[in-house]
Amino acid sequence: KAGVTQTPRYLIKTRGQQVTLSCSPISGHRSVSWYQQTPGQGLQFLFEYFSETQRNKGNFPGRFSGRQFSNSRSEMNVSTLELGDSALYLCASSYGHADGEQYFGPGTRLTVT
Amino acid sequence: GQQLNQSPQSMFIQEGEDVSMNCTSSSIFNTWLWYKQDPGEGPVLLIALYKAGELTSNGRLTAQFGTTRKDSFLNISASIPSDVGIYFCAGQSTNAGNMLTFGGGTRLMVKP
Repeated sequence: KAGVTQTPRYLIKTRGQQVTLSCSPISGHRSVSWYQQTPGQGLQFLFEYFSETQRNKGNFPGRFSGRQFSNSRSEMNVSTLELGDSALYLCASSYGHADGEQYFGPGTRLTVT
Repeated sequence: GQQLNQSPQSMFIQEGEDVSMNCTSSSIFNTWLWYKQDPGEGPVLLIALYKAGELTSNGRLTAQFGTTRKDSFLNISASIPSDVGIYFCAGQSTNAGNMLTFGGGTRLMVKP
């Protein structure tokens, strides 16, 4: 069974631009969660989508948003990029909501200049 | 954001030695998970624990769910060079859905 895939793997953007990242969960998994990883803050939860609905949201500004499609694939969008948004963005999939076992993709490395 | 207290932050050990690391929290978790992350990759799930007091093994790795539900431990026996990486603990509460709260990580270095 294929793992979680994320595209693109690397991205360089300029301050003020917006970016969209994509995540395809493991086949059969219906929950997708997004995390931001930085050296200073570690791994921080952004939000979770299950059955196309946002079920939980972390403490991030409204510039961070996401959505989930009927095939469980998910996208996250960051608008008006800031230098501090440079990070590794990870998505994780699980079978259900509040499932426990989450499987991570390789991440998208975003650099904002 | 809230993080679990994971220790030690780093370890430099000789190949063949055993390794212990732990996570503590002021909050109760229903599930504890341990992940390993290699450079440039996402975390890989090693062990999931669902019950207080539970002891689970995965090869040379053994993890325990603390009886207070506020802590967890990971042991690696007879370390080998490919054990090098960053190990993260993560806790999950049922009332927080699939949100995982992560520890700060333990960087393990193994000297051949």
